[in-house]
Amino acid sequence: DAGVTQSPTHLIKTRGQQVTLRCSPISGHKSVSWYQQVLGQGPQFIFQYYEKEERGRGNFPDRFSARQFPNYSSELNVNALLLGDSALYLCASSGESGSSQETQYFGPGTRLLVL
Amino acid sequence: LAKTTQPISMDSYEGQEVNITCSHNNIATNDYITWYQQFPSQGPRFIIQGYKTKVTNEVASLFIPADRKSSTLSLPRVSLSDTAVYYCLVGPFSGGYNKLIFGAGTRLAVHP
Repeated sequence: DAGVTQSPTHLIKTRGQQVTLRCSPISGHKSVSWYQQVLGQGPQFIFQYYEKEERGRGNFPDRFSARQFPNYSSELNVNALLLGDSALYLCASSGESGSSQETQYFGPGTRLLVL
Repeated sequence: LAKTTQPISMDSYEGQEVNITCSHNNIATNDYITWYQQFPSQGPRFIIQGYKTKVTNEVASLFIPADRKSSTLSLPRVSLSDTAVYYCLVGPFSGGYNKLIFGAGTRLAVHP
């Protein structure tokens, strides 16, 4: 079975631009979460979506937004990019209830570089 | 949310058992303890999860004392491929919300 997939794998943008990252969860999973991982640090929670509704939001500015589609795939959008947005963006999916006791399965991430 | 403290780095040799201890003094009654492994430029991979006492699976064991204020991940007979960052997470058991709080993790280096 395919795991969590993310696209693109790498991306280079300049300051002020906008970027959209995509995630496809494991088949049957209804919850998708997004994390930002800056080099040398642990992942930081950005959003969780379950059944197309936002379940949680981390401490990130409004420049960050996300949505989940009827097929449970998800997009993370970042506007007005800053140099500090350079990071590995990780998507994780979990099973039917989206609750914390469920294992989250992470994708390989999208490496974003902002110049 | 309970904060976790774990060593920044550890070194070991192939074939040895590695124990990584995580402190979580403020763990709540409904919190679970979960460990993830991460290789460079990859997403974290679930290793093991537990609530109390001992949990064992095919790759690791997790020891949790009665007061649950700490936990120890045990990796038996490590190999070079176990070189990675290991994260200890303590998360709420509330339904419908699965925010994971990662710390800086423990960088394990396994030497030949």
